[in-house]
Amino acid sequence: NAGVTQTPKFQVLKTGQSMTLQCAQDMNHNSMYWYRQDPGMGLRLIYYSASEGTTDKGEVPNGYNVSRLNKREFSLRLESAAPSQTSVYFCASSEGLANHHQLEQYFGPGTRLTVT
Amino acid sequence: SQQGEEDPQALSIQEGENATMNCSYKTSINNLQWYRQNSGRGLVHLILIRSNEREKHSGRLRVTLDTSKKSSSLLITASRAADTASYFCATGGTDKLIFGTGTRLQVFP
Repeated sequence: NAGVTQTPKFQVLKTGQSMTLQCAQDMNHNSMYWYRQDPGMGLRLIYYSASEGTTDKGEVPNGYNVSRLNKREFSLRLESAAPSQTSVYFCASSEGLANHHQLEQYFGPGTRLTVT
Repeated sequence: SQQGEEDPQALSIQEGENATMNCSYKTSINNLQWYRQNSGRGLVHLILIRSNEREKHSGRLRVTLDTSKKSSSLLITASRAADTASYFCATGGTDKLIFGTGTRLQVFP
């Protein structure tokens, strides 16, 4: 049982390049999330998918796109990378909601992205 | 914008001492959760307290919630060097969590 896995672990891009961050979970969770973490800023939600087939914007969606490929996989794409997107990206999953309560989230190990 | 703000931003203590971290938030919530992050790793869920609960325990962790003051505290008793990490509160609504900026805890042996 691997939990939440992310690839790659590290990536360096040049400004304007594109890439896709991959995330998969094996816990049969309904909901998946993408966050970015910058020093002193905590975690900020980029996009989330409350259930298979749905995606919604979070706090900082500009410059990103997502795909909920199936129940297991949720990818994050940077179409034209910018230095401001240098960050650590975390994927998370959860069972979603129970009695109107957002349940605990399980996090992947993160992807460290540098855009030069 | 962040929903939760942790206080203090950083805390240094000796092994065996207790560590207390506080979280304040702005809007009404369904629950509040605490997470730990070891350096360079993903976050790990510690404890969830619902809006109708005032206190919850899990091992050496004690969480309180005061919805009238929109604040929560996390107490770690008898701290260990292995408790060195960043701690985040997250407020739960109906579809997502909003994380605070975290408290960095350093426990010296």
